[in-house]
Amino acid sequence: DGGITQSPKYLFRKEGQNVTLSCEQNLNHDAMYWYRQDPGQGLRLIYYSQIVNDFQKGDIAEGYSVSREKKESFPLTVTSAQKNPTAFYLCASSATGTSGLGTQYFGPGTRLTVL
Amino acid sequence: GENVEQHPSTLSVQEGDSAVIKCTYSDSASNYFPWYKQELGKGPQLIIDIRSNVGEKKDQRIAVTLNKTAKHFSLHITETQPEDSAVYFCAFPAGGGNKLTFGTGTQLKVEL
Repeated sequence: DGGITQSPKYLFRKEGQNVTLSCEQNLNHDAMYWYRQDPGQGLRLIYYSQIVNDFQKGDIAEGYSVSREKKESFPLTVTSAQKNPTAFYLCASSATGTSGLGTQYFGPGTRLTVL
Repeated sequence: GENVEQHPSTLSVQEGDSAVIKCTYSDSASNYFPWYKQELGKGPQLIIDIRSNVGEKKDQRIAVTLNKTAKHFSLHITETQPEDSAVYFCAFPAGGGNKLTFGTGTQLKVEL
């Protein structure tokens, strides 16, 4: 069963703690992305990676960190420096090629709540 | 930077009617325009996309039209059904690197 998975579905964190969100894909996609979604709003790009061992900041990278050690995995760490981390986090992946932009496929999301 | 405006923010239609959502973009070099559907508590799902070498694409009750001169593209849903109720997002490429910029979303409600 191919696809993109995120875990956990719900996550609670105390203020001052770092937390890591998991994202795994078995679609053999080169590119992976992390987005943040706040209630009633669109998606904002946090970080993206076009290839293993490389990643770039998106529009709202402050307070977040990522790694891309394996093609299948792109974990996101929400650090204590992120002042307002409560949100719905979405991971996506896409194939890349010479023909241009590939379709992005999304995981089911992780809802993070800071207590 | 590149941006996209999406209208309306909410749309309520009667079952069986048509729904139209429009997005206007700023980057004239854009060549790929996807539409996503997001149900409550779930990740967005691609429902249709169009590339700039065509002006319209249809898939059963869903169609997307593209006007590159006016820099806007629209989602059309015909014969709406209650299961069409969701939030719909347009998107377009922004700034290279396979990134997408998303619209602010349209909450579609199909009433019985």
